[in-house]
Amino acid sequence: ETGVTQSPTHLIKTRGQQVTLRCSSQSGHNTVSWYQQALGQGPQFIFQYYREEENGRGNFPPRFSGLQFPNYSSELNVNALELDDSALYLCASSLEVTEAFFGQGTRLTVV
Amino acid sequence: LAKTTQPISMDSYEGQEVNITCSHNNIATNDYITWYQQFPSQGPRFIIQGYKTKVTNEVASLFIPADRKSSTLSLPRVSLSDTAVYYCLVGEMGVRNQGGKLIFGQGTELSVKP
Repeated sequence: ETGVTQSPTHLIKTRGQQVTLRCSSQSGHNTVSWYQQALGQGPQFIFQYYREEENGRGNFPPRFSGLQFPNYSSELNVNALELDDSALYLCASSLEVTEAFFGQGTRLTVV
Repeated sequence: LAKTTQPISMDSYEGQEVNITCSHNNIATNDYITWYQQFPSQGPRFIIQGYKTKVTNEVASLFIPADRKSSTLSLPRVSLSDTAVYYCLVGEMGVRNQGGKLIFGQGTELSVKP
């Protein structure tokens, strides 16, 4: 157990809808990173939040957005869902630049 | 970050030693080599990190030749529970210490059979 919890564990959405995924970071960690992992591929970095500010972004369109709250928990929002957004979404928490610990992920299916 | 190349899949049997080699021809002077393990429907988990020669911990060994253009993760006497995907990552200051900005490749899917 890494102390990083994600919810929900599974989700099915329809194309065009919006989705919000949630992550509670490990106690004491102020940095949260989000990843998208398509089937058979390695995780791809979406963005990172450090002390409630975005701190780096991967090659994802603006319809992928996020928030970090004062307690350092985080949300990933995806608007206008597309079929290709179906993936495992992983959250990783860390204390600034120390080792990152991953949660179990949210499996999103877009139909 | 340097690009890495690994075999897509490997098969082994319980009790055998497994060696997974990663190629990173463009590794930079400040880059470290780090390996992660991922089970199905779980997040990746750090295994081992090194800069040169050999590193060993309770889980694995990491062998890095003098030119550092490749590295080999060695898993001693694997069991069925070692069936997972193994990722080799290369980055400055050790990707373990980049606070989550990690660049993953496709990884090596290891299947351990009884």
